[in-house]
Order: sequence, then structure tokens, then C-alpha cells
Amino acid sequence: DAGVIQSPRHEVTEMGQEVTLRCKPISGHDYLFWYRQTMMRGLELLIYFNNNVPIDDSGMPEDRFSAKMPNASFSTLKIQPSEPRDSAVYFCASRTGLAGSEQYFGPGTRLTVT
Amino acid sequence: EDKVVQSPLSLVVHEGDTVTLNCSYEVTNFRSLLWYKQEKKAPTFLFMLTSSGIEKKSGRLSSILDKKELFSILNITATQTGDSAVYLCAVFYTGTASKLTFGTGTRLQVTL
Repeated sequence: DAGVIQSPRHEVTEMGQEVTLRCKPISGHDYLFWYRQTMMRGLELLIYFNNNVPIDDSGMPEDRFSAKMPNASFSTLKIQPSEPRDSAVYFCASRTGLAGSEQYFGPGTRLTVT
Repeated sequence: EDKVVQSPLSLVVHEGDTVTLNCSYEVTNFRSLLWYKQEKKAPTFLFMLTSSGIEKKSGRLSSILDKKELFSILNITATQTGDSAVYLCAVFYTGTASKLTFGTGTRLQVTL
């Protein structure tokens, strides 16, 4: 298996632009998670899905952030409009439905908003 | 509020030293505690602990959980420069939703 796949790996955009991050989870995994990592705040859970349904989006910073999972093999995280404070590494992770099972992380997308 | 706290925040040791990293937590409905190693990329899984007092071991790394005192330690013996990384502790718990909450990590640097 190729593991969790994220694209793009790096994104540089100007403030106010729309940014879309993409994730393909490991086949057969029921859960998909979006995290954001910064030096100041560490690794923060933004939202997660179970069987393509959003379960907890309490970590989404504000209405500028939205996430979708139209099918079991694809999810997007969209920021519109982007701001410099959104600059971070965004990780996608997936795992099976077994309680406490290991999460596998994707390589991350490094987002820079200028 | 649920939280996971790691200490120290950073650590510099010489190759060959033994280090102990700490993780304490305050969560409801604890299920398991996980340790990850993060170098310049995504976190990679080290251990998952669910029961108190049972040591998990992998080479020079070992970890143990104390569910009464709500903490875990990660030990690394005979450290090598390749152990330099950020070590993340995460707690899986259930409540209104199942979550894995991460601590801020311990940055370990091993020097020659």
C-alpha cells in the first residue's frame, strides 16, 4: 500500500486566495483526520470523518475552513480566503475502526500564505 | 478541559546517554496512549499503551503507562544521533466523539 497520500506537498499562495488540500487515505481505513501543525500550537486536530461522515469539526478554526469527504478514498480541506496565520503544515491521517488503533499520517502539505 | 502535557519541551544529550521523556494526561474515558517520533516529516508510530505497568519495548526504546497517576514515560537508552527528533505523545479517548489529542512534543537533540 502506498500509505496516506497528500497533495500538494508544498503550496505558496497570496492572502485572500482559495487553497485546496487533498488527501487519499489508506484503502480500507474507516477514519480520516485532518491536522494542522505549527511551532506555536503543535499538532491540532481540525476535523475527522468516519465512513465519509464528519464526526467532529470542533477544531476547525473558523468559517474560512471547510472539509469534505465525497467518498472513501478522497478528502479535501479548503481555506477560503486564506490568511498568513494559516501558514502551517497540514497532515491527513487515517486508521481502521478498531478502538485505539494506530493512525497513519500522510507526508503533509506545507502551506505558506504571504 | 482534556489535555496532554509533555516534558521537557526540549533536551540536548550526548550520544550514548539515556533519556526519559514524560507525558501526563487529563482526559475522560481514556482508551490508549500512543507515542510517535517526528523527524522532518510526518509522525511515525512507536508504541501504543493500554494497560498499566506493562512495558512495551522496541530495540533501545521502551515505554510504560501508569493509569493511576495518569502518565507515561518513553525511555531511550544508548542514544544515537538518529534518535534526534520530536517525540509526540497522544491520548485516545472517547466522549461525545472519539479523539486522539496530541501533546506539544519533546524535541530531542543527540550530539556527538
